[in-house]
Amino acid sequence: NAGVTQTPKFQVLKTGQSMTLQCAQDMNHNSMYWYRQDPGMGLRLIYYSASEGTTDKGEVPNGYNVSRLNKREFSLRLESAAPSQTSVYFCASSRDRDSYEQYFGPGTRLTVT
Amino acid sequence: GQQVMQIPQYQHVQEGEDFTTYCNSSTTLSNIQWYKQRPGGHPVFLIQLVKSGEVKKQKRLTFQFGEAKKNSSLHITATQTTDVGTYFCAGSGANSKLTFGKGITLSVRP
Repeated sequence: NAGVTQTPKFQVLKTGQSMTLQCAQDMNHNSMYWYRQDPGMGLRLIYYSASEGTTDKGEVPNGYNVSRLNKREFSLRLESAAPSQTSVYFCASSRDRDSYEQYFGPGTRLTVT
Repeated sequence: GQQVMQIPQYQHVQEGEDFTTYCNSSTTLSNIQWYKQRPGGHPVFLIQLVKSGEVKKQKRLTFQFGEAKKNSSLHITATQTTDVGTYFCAGSGANSKLTFGKGITLSVRP
């Protein structure tokens, strides 16, 4: 089992460009999450999907959109990238919301110039 | 909203010393989880505590959940260079999402 996979691993964008970060899990988990990690800020939840067909905002959703394509895949889209979105993005999944451990992907390092 | 606090953000120890860090919540938690992130890596789940006063051990790591379920501690006995990384606690309460603390980054001097 690959666990949680993310693509790409690294990306450089210019301000105003758009891109989609892909995430997939093969553990048959119901819940999936997108976090961003910035120095000194810990892990901040952007969006989550408690189950297939549902998505909800997290702590820092502005500037992002998500799609739960199916049970396996959860993508994060930046419509018009800004330098403030330079960060490391982690996708995670868990069996169900909140009371179960989360499994993280390897992360995407995004730089917006 | 629910807040989970970890202070300080950095700690440096000499190899062989013990290390303890704490996690405090503004509200009562239904469970608390601990994760470790190695430099350049991703967070990896270590353990979950559910019961008031619960203590769990993993080799040199001891985790405890407070009696009031509002705090938790992680104790590492005789630190090694392999313990280097950032340790996050994360807690969830009734009807609330799992909230991560900002983490504590541990460095170990050989």
